[in-house]
Amino acid sequence: GESVGLHLPTLSVQEGDNSIINCAYSNSASDYFIWYKQESGKGPQFIIDIRSNMDKRQGQRVTVLLNKTVKHLSLQIAATQPGDSAVYFCAAGYSGTYKYIFGTGTRLKVLA
Amino acid sequence: NAGVTQTPKFRVLKTGQSMTLLCAQDMNHEYMYWYRQDPGMGLRLIHYSVGEGTTAKGEVPDGYNVSRLKKQNFLLGLESAAPSQTSVYFCASRGQTINQNEQFFGPGTRLTVL
Repeated sequence: GESVGLHLPTLSVQEGDNSIINCAYSNSASDYFIWYKQESGKGPQFIIDIRSNMDKRQGQRVTVLLNKTVKHLSLQIAATQPGDSAVYFCAAGYSGTYKYIFGTGTRLKVLA
Repeated sequence: NAGVTQTPKFRVLKTGQSMTLLCAQDMNHEYMYWYRQDPGMGLRLIHYSVGEGTTAKGEVPDGYNVSRLKKQNFLLGLESAAPSQTSVYFCASRGQTINQNEQFFGPGTRLTVL
């Protein structure tokens, strides 16, 4: 069946460094991709999304890169801050189904 | 504007008991979802609704029922709780246009079944 996976369960980075969180998806028909941030005890919070007709999208301190050839996307966080400590999920969806498949999440730890 | 709210926040049930989780959204969203989140696994879709009066099964629907009698509310029912249903449950909603991809999540309900 479909799957969405993240490459590392935990990522530790120094405060001020850039973070890169990776995600792979299996369904080549997927055309929406979303990154979520989930802090402890809270629901997931939307960070940024990207459509399959794009290969890069930038937000505030975040960039998502999409490589459809290898079915991979990444989330880059610039100048990582303590407040960025959380679990990050990617999700893949496709038009007409209104549903998303979620990855298992990478826990980002920011070291002071 | 409260967004998505969930009731209750915590609950402990005994095996065989029943309960209903309530989700409410004030964003006039058409689509609503119920997920469960378990350690080491991604969010898994239980049931979803694309509009008032409609529901559909997701990835793991067994043991759950849902109702969407009002557009703003989406109820998740457990008729006879089992320990395997111990989980954190999240409700989400989103708009229906093609540009409204963002799902807004509630704070979650932590359910323990003994």
